Amino acid sequence: DGGITQSPKYLFRKEGQNVTLSCEQNLNHDAMYWYRQDPGQGLRLIYYSQIVNDFQKGDIAEGYSVSREKKESFPLTVTSAQKNPTAFYLCASSTGTPQETQYFGPGTRLLVL
Amino acid sequence: GQNIDQPTEMTATEGAIVQINCTYQTSGFNGLFWYQQHAGEAPTFLSYNVLDGLEEKGRFSSFLSRSKGYSYLLLKELQMKDSASYLCAVRDRGSWGKLQFGAGTQVVVTP
Repeated sequence: DGGITQSPKYLFRKEGQNVTLSCEQNLNHDAMYWYRQDPGQGLRLIYYSQIVNDFQKGDIAEGYSVSREKKESFPLTVTSAQKNPTAFYLCASSTGTPQETQYFGPGTRLLVL
Repeated sequence: GQNIDQPTEMTATEGAIVQINCTYQTSGFNGLFWYQQHAGEAPTFLSYNVLDGLEEKGRFSSFLSRSKGYSYLLLKELQMKDSASYLCAVRDRGSWGKLQFGAGTQVVVTP
């Protein structure tokens, strides 16, 4: 089955710790995205990548980093510089043309201890 | 950028019809999406409008008026499983594929 997988489902972060959220897709999509969702707010774009080895900052990139070494994978690192990381993180992908629909993974809920 | 407004919550009875409105302001419109999101789950794609008019997909329809910066999602013959948040998202012509999301409308279906 084709789709987008995210792991883990729940993740706990200690103060001062970096954590990495995994996102993998087997849809052969060129473009991948990371969003953050907070209660009562819309999804906000953190980073996006249109092609392997290239990525761009979204609206709230501070405190986050990404890499895109493989077409299938777009991991997100939440660094210690992100002071309010508790949120639901969603990864999405699309074929890469601007008209295309984005499809979402199941999400990772990050909690701070 | 865009401002996207949609109501916070709507309640309707099973079997009824509900219309969720979405208004937006954008410098260069390039498409509007509706997604459904159940609590704690990923958003799932419902519909896409880029031209004015009504798109119908079974029990769900979506309407767009570009001149008014307005869309609605119409849910007919409501079922309990339709209780979810409905997200309106707009694509700006100048921002390559990026979507700006509204805060979502929580629809509660009662027996």
